[in-house]
Amino acid sequence: GENVEQHPSTLSVQEGDSAVIKCTYSDSASNYFPWYKQELGKGPQLIIDIRSNVGEKKDQRIAVTLNKTAKHFSLHITETQPEDSAVYFCAASLTGNQFYFGTGTSLTVIP
Amino acid sequence: DTAVSQTPKYLVTQMGNDKSIKCEQNLGHDTMYWYKQDSKKFLKIMFSYNNKELIINETVPNRFSPKSPDKAHLNLHINSLELGDSAVYFCASTQGYEQFFGPGTRLTVL
Repeated sequence: GENVEQHPSTLSVQEGDSAVIKCTYSDSASNYFPWYKQELGKGPQLIIDIRSNVGEKKDQRIAVTLNKTAKHFSLHITETQPEDSAVYFCAASLTGNQFYFGTGTSLTVIP
Repeated sequence: DTAVSQTPKYLVTQMGNDKSIKCEQNLGHDTMYWYKQDSKKFLKIMFSYNNKELIINETVPNRFSPKSPDKAHLNLHINSLELGDSAVYFCASTQGYEQFFGPGTRLTVL
């Protein structure tokens, strides 16, 4: 089955700096790669996603890049703010029925 | 309006008891899931139902039994609770690829 690895497990940045979280996947057939943000005491929430026919997608301060050849994808957050502090999860899916999650990155934005 | 709701939010119980967690989604989605999140925040899928039919059943002890009375509900019943069952359980639903999670149920087994 699919195996998704995520790094780093913890990340601290100064407010206004950029944050980058990286994931790799093992199954080259996976074609959908979402990113979720989980705030304390809440469920994960989809913040951005990318499909395998696209190399990059951007939504305001958040961007995701995908390298299908190397089987890795990354989340980029620019101009970080304290409210960006949360746990972020990457995931990979082939069918849209089963999702394989990374192990999470705890991001702390220091004011 | 809450898209995916779960009850209860907190559940504290003794080892050996039987308990249920309820989940409802008002999005009209066909597929629903149960995930377990342990203390290290690892998210692991337990079950997936599509139109009331079980489509994914990961390696979960048979003490866990999901029940889907209709497309909008997926409940989780747990028999003979053990200490290792303590975790946060999330319900989710999907239509297409976009997945929506409930707020979670924190289960503590004493």
